[in-house]
Amino acid sequence: NAGVTQTPKFQVLKTGQSMTLQCAQDMNHNSMYWYRQDPGMGLRLIYYSASEGTTDKGEVPNGYNVSRLNKREFSLRLESAAPSQTSVYFCASSEEIGYSNQPQHFGDGTRLSIL
Amino acid sequence: GENVEQHPSTLSVQEGDSAVIKCTYSDSASNYFPWYKQELGKGPQLIIDIRSNVGEKKDQRIAVTLNKTAKHFSLHITETQPEDSAVYFCAASNNAGNMLTFGGGTRLMVKP
Repeated sequence: NAGVTQTPKFQVLKTGQSMTLQCAQDMNHNSMYWYRQDPGMGLRLIYYSASEGTTDKGEVPNGYNVSRLNKREFSLRLESAAPSQTSVYFCASSEEIGYSNQPQHFGDGTRLSIL
Repeated sequence: GENVEQHPSTLSVQEGDSAVIKCTYSDSASNYFPWYKQELGKGPQLIIDIRSNVGEKKDQRIAVTLNKTAKHFSLHITETQPEDSAVYFCAASNNAGNMLTFGGGTRLMVKP
């Protein structure tokens, strides 16, 4: 009964290093999302994938890339990390986009610090 | 795009009292309004949601009300307990992409 699993849970990077955050869901959901959470700002959408094989930009996509590897997995990549990307990153999934809104289910986050 | 504002940012209540958190949204096309509870070190967990064809929804001690005309919605927690202490987020979305726009969060503290 894992739901949405994110790895790693914590990571420290140096400016300019690259990193891939992994996310997997076992609920057979079609849609997956990446958010970042900064103090006092709620969660902001970085990228989402409506279904396997598609990805789209959210509110704050600059500096990030994503890959929908298969129906279960959706990864987020920082090609050249910057201190402004220090944040907590959350992955979420839902049954489907485009019809009636479906609840999004979140993982427990990856805490990323960039020095 | 959508803008969601949430108030208050912190709320302290005595155990047994009620707590109310309010949100306003800007996009009249928004039609789905979930509320999430986030405990320390965990991801947000959906606690209740409401769609625009409904004015109120209740689940045990938790209720949500929606005023489409005024574009605001509220979370009501009755008979608060210490385990209700957490950060609560409201959000809004429309059918166009299921993209949620979140409010800034409310830290609720329930004093025993």
